[in-house]
Amino acid sequence: GDSVTQMEGPVTLSEEAFLTINCTYTATGYPSLFWYVQYPGEGLQLLLKATKADDKGSNKGFEATYRKETTSFHLEKGSVQVSDSAVYFCALSSGNTGKLIFGQGTTLQVKP
Amino acid sequence: DTEVTQTPKHLVMGMTNKKSLKCEQHMGHRAMYWYKQKAKKPPELMFVYSYEKLSINESVPSRFSPECPNSSLLNLHLHALQPEDSALYLCASSQDWASTDTQYFGPGTRLTVL
Repeated sequence: GDSVTQMEGPVTLSEEAFLTINCTYTATGYPSLFWYVQYPGEGLQLLLKATKADDKGSNKGFEATYRKETTSFHLEKGSVQVSDSAVYFCALSSGNTGKLIFGQGTTLQVKP
Repeated sequence: DTEVTQTPKHLVMGMTNKKSLKCEQHMGHRAMYWYKQKAKKPPELMFVYSYEKLSINESVPSRFSPECPNSSLLNLHLHALQPEDSALYLCASSQDWASTDTQYFGPGTRLTVL
């Protein structure tokens, strides 16, 4: 079945460091790919998405490119801030079922 | 406006109680979802409603009973829960249920079963 694998955390960075969170997927069809962020005590917020190969999603300085050849959707940010500290979930949706399949989540902690 | 609201924010209930969680969206979305999230885990899908009809039940125990009274509202009725049902319950909605549609999540209800 379809699945998503994320790098394990926690990831601890200093402010202004470069961020990469790896995400790879397995899917039989042509999935859409998403990154969601969850701040402590809150629900999930969409960070960015891509719906076809080679699409780049971007938002708030975060970027991810849908790479079909490597089945990856890695999240990057050039300069992280303390306010980026949160849990990041990679997810895919395929077929018209409405099902989102999540990775295990990666906790990011940014220190001043 | 991409807001999904959920009430209550927190709920504590005994194993013999009956309670309900409420979710509301006014974005004209036709698909609505209930998820359960345990600490440090990703959300797990429970139910999907499409055009006010239950389309997916992920083998959820019958002590959880969903209801969609209209296109903007989604309820989750709780009865005879167990302590292991304590979790964050998230509601989400999307325009439709195509794979390209974004799901927008509410802030969740933090449920504690004593």
